[in-house]
Amino acid sequence: QVQLLESGPGLVKPSETLSLTCTVSGGSLGSYYWTWLRQPPHKGLEWIGYVHNSGDTDSNPSLRSRVTMSLDTSNKLSLKLNSVTAADTAVYYCVRGRGMATIPFTLWGQGTLAIVSS
Amino acid sequence: DIQMTQSPSSLSASVGDRVTITCQASQDISNYLNWYQQRPGKGPKVLIYDASALETGVPSRFSGGGSGTTFTFTISSLHPEDFGTYFCQQYDETPYTFGQGTTLEIK
Repeated sequence: QVQLLESGPGLVKPSETLSLTCTVSGGSLGSYYWTWLRQPPHKGLEWIGYVHNSGDTDSNPSLRSRVTMSLDTSNKLSLKLNSVTAADTAVYYCVRGRGMATIPFTLWGQGTLAIVSS
Repeated sequence: DIQMTQSPSSLSASVGDRVTITCQASQDISNYLNWYQQRPGKGPKVLIYDASALETGVPSRFSGGGSGTTFTFTISSLHPEDFGTYFCQQYDETPYTFGQGTTLEIK
């Protein structure tokens, strides 16, 4: 059974770069679309963007200038968000779309909490 | 960005009750809408896609409807395991956006 596991530093200082990794266990990145989402405490979900091994990628215009998504190995992908502020404190999710589509989000990780604080 | 307004934000219902949640889009999104369930400490799970299609393995007591700007999600007869947060998501255009969620408590 394929599972996703997000990992990261937990705590990041303001103005620094948040780096997160998503590891796919029981499978590989394949030709799926991989999406990052986040959920600030007590708020709704926010779409960060997606990446595909064809080079197709898109991201939220509100974050585009600060975000980098990449497919690193056969079973790992990463998210980097620079110049973080307290507003970037959230649970970050790695998710996979169905088949060759970005949507719907059919496989989710448990999420990893990233806190931005000095 | 397309704004998704979901209501109610919370509700409490009894086992066997019929429950309906509404999602309103700020513009026409055709049927490009999904519904997800999230239980505490878990990643969300898709229940309904394309506004009304039931995801494989999801019980038939869950259903979705609507098109354009107004959508509904219904649980026909509430089960104890249905507690959690439900939210809608549009994918007519990026950035994909979500409703704020409806927290369902079982009385």
